[in-house]
Amino acid sequence: TQLLEQSPQFLSIQEGENLTVYCNSSSVFSSLQWYRQEPGEGPVLLVTVVTGGEVKKLKRLTFQFGDARKDSSLHITAAQPGDTGLYLCAGRPGAGSYQLTFGKGTKLSVIP
Amino acid sequence: DTEVTQTPKHLVMGMTNKKSLKCEQHMGHRAMYWYKQKAKKPPELMFVYSYEKLSINESVPSRFSPECPNSSLLNLHLHALQPEDSALYLCASSQGRSSGITYEQYFGPGTRLTVT
Repeated sequence: TQLLEQSPQFLSIQEGENLTVYCNSSSVFSSLQWYRQEPGEGPVLLVTVVTGGEVKKLKRLTFQFGDARKDSSLHITAAQPGDTGLYLCAGRPGAGSYQLTFGKGTKLSVIP
Repeated sequence: DTEVTQTPKHLVMGMTNKKSLKCEQHMGHRAMYWYKQKAKKPPELMFVYSYEKLSINESVPSRFSPECPNSSLLNLHLHALQPEDSALYLCASSQGRSSGITYEQYFGPGTRLTVT
């Protein structure tokens, strides 16, 4: 069974600070997705990374896929209160797999 | 448009009730999913339908019965549930497997189910 270790589990920061969330595994993933979820709502897809070493930017969010496709990071620059939520990484074990391996999530609180 | 809709938003049911959850997407996706999510946990896969056929059943108890009437609709029929089945039930959809590749999943807003 492939596991995704996500860290930190909880993060409380002041508005304007930077932060990084990590997802690590000993297994290779064909792709990895990042979601953000607000309480009582479904996860919203932020980005999918597919190629080892790939970097994608979404405004103040930067996503990176490790060269070996075993790890990924999410960096937020100048965090805003609107960034508050649960961030989930989800890896696809094989290109044709319908199943995703989810990390346990990072609960981010950005204090004004 | 990447919208998946789910009804109802909230559902309270007794252990002897029968109810159904509904999910709909109009993105032309051919794979649809049911997940269960408990508080402070990631989603857990329950079922996958691929091209309207049940493709994956993650050993879910028979009190949960999925149905895919057509490529846009997915139902989850509930009967004789237990209080521990209370959770957020999420539907998701994606493009179907093509050339051995599957695609990212888009989630609906969920149904908050409480079993009393």
